[in-house]
Amino acid sequence: DSGVTQTPKHLITATGQRVTLRCSPRSGDLSVYWYQQSLDQGLQFLIQYYNGEERAKGNILERFSAQQFPDLHSELNLSSLELGDSALYFCASTSAEEPYEQYFGPGTRLTVT
Amino acid sequence: GDSVTQMEGPVTLSEEACLTINCTYTATGYPSLFWYVQYPGEGLQLLLKATKADDKGSNKGFEATYRKETTSFHLEKGSVQVSDSAVYFCALKKNTGTASKLTFGTGTRLQVTL
Repeated sequence: DSGVTQTPKHLITATGQRVTLRCSPRSGDLSVYWYQQSLDQGLQFLIQYYNGEERAKGNILERFSAQQFPDLHSELNLSSLELGDSALYFCASTSAEEPYEQYFGPGTRLTVT
Repeated sequence: GDSVTQMEGPVTLSEEACLTINCTYTATGYPSLFWYVQYPGEGLQLLLKATKADDKGSNKGFEATYRKETTSFHLEKGSVQVSDSAVYFCALKKNTGTASKLTFGTGTRLQVTL
């Protein structure tokens, strides 16, 4: 158990809908990263938050957005869903000190039908 | 940009066979290198890491050495077990403080049979 929690574990929804994925980092970790794992794109970095502020952005679509709240949990919002958004979504957290090792949650499996 | 290249899978081995999964990287500067493992139905777990050239990371019988001259970080194990069956990801991370995303390879599936 990495100490990073993600809910829900599975999500099935229809095209055009909007969903919210939730991540709680390890106790004391300030940074949260979101990654998408799909069969055709592999594991891709989406976005990072550090202590409530956006710190880095990767291959995140404009239909997707995220935020980190004062209690440091983070949410990833996916809207106008398409079939191709079906994937595993992971979040990871790191400590505020070197070596900033990332600990991954169990993931949320999103299926868009 | 930064990238990681892993050998294509799947790799199928008999129990107690030797394992090597090749990984090479392209990056500016001096990244840290990692191997993560993903067991069926689970998230990613850090297997081992190396933060500078010539460092050797090791865990659970797995080893990998950070080779700057060949930009490689090959994963090795002398005797695999059925329980090692999983997908293995090589990754790099730039040491840029608190903004440090991981760049992953495509993953290599290992299947170990009796």
